[in-house]
Amino acid sequence: NAGVTQTPKFQVLKTGQSMTLQCAQDMNHNSMYWYRQDPGMGLRLIYYSASEGTTDKGEVPNGYNVSRLNKREFSLRLESAAPSQTSVYFCASSEAGRTGRTEAFFGQGTRLTVV
Amino acid sequence: AQSVTQLGSHVSVSEGALVLLRCNYSSSVPPYLFWYVQYPNQGLQLLLKYTSAATLVKGINGFEAEFKKSETSFHLTKPSAHMSDAAEYFCAALTGTASKLTFGTGTRLQVTL
Repeated sequence: NAGVTQTPKFQVLKTGQSMTLQCAQDMNHNSMYWYRQDPGMGLRLIYYSASEGTTDKGEVPNGYNVSRLNKREFSLRLESAAPSQTSVYFCASSEAGRTGRTEAFFGQGTRLTVV
Repeated sequence: AQSVTQLGSHVSVSEGALVLLRCNYSSSVPPYLFWYVQYPNQGLQLLLKYTSAATLVKGINGFEAEFKKSETSFHLTKPSAHMSDAAEYFCAALTGTASKLTFGTGTRLQVTL
């Protein structure tokens, strides 16, 4: 039971470098999410995808791009990393929009440091 | 727009005491509501969820929450705290049509002897 898998688990970037955080789920969920978690600020939604082929901005989308490659995969890209993007990033998926099984399942997180 | 407010970023209780963590939502349409728990250096784990089937929802580890539409609240309670309950707790709301899942800022629960 893999659930939601994020890679990498840890990453250190230099300011200005780019990278892509990968996320895959094996639960056939329609909706997928990217969050960042910072002390005292909870989880803030960066982008989400309600279904394959659609993406929408969340609360803090600036500096990020996403791709919903297929139903399983939802990647987050930092084109030019900044120290303010130092954070823990979580990917999640859910059956949101359908009755019953609406809860989100989370990956283990990616701890990103930008120096 | 939907938002979730958690009152109290830190709550400290004695072992065996009542746990009460507060959550209020703002939405014109009652959303689906959730409580998640996060232990240090881990992801989030679902405690319980409200999906309009019942206003009192029971979850794992002895936690429960009551949906009160008149107060737009979904407070989390546990009758008797255990040391293992020490963690961070997040309230979240989902509007089904938008599929947008929004979290509160979290409450760190400390349990003392």
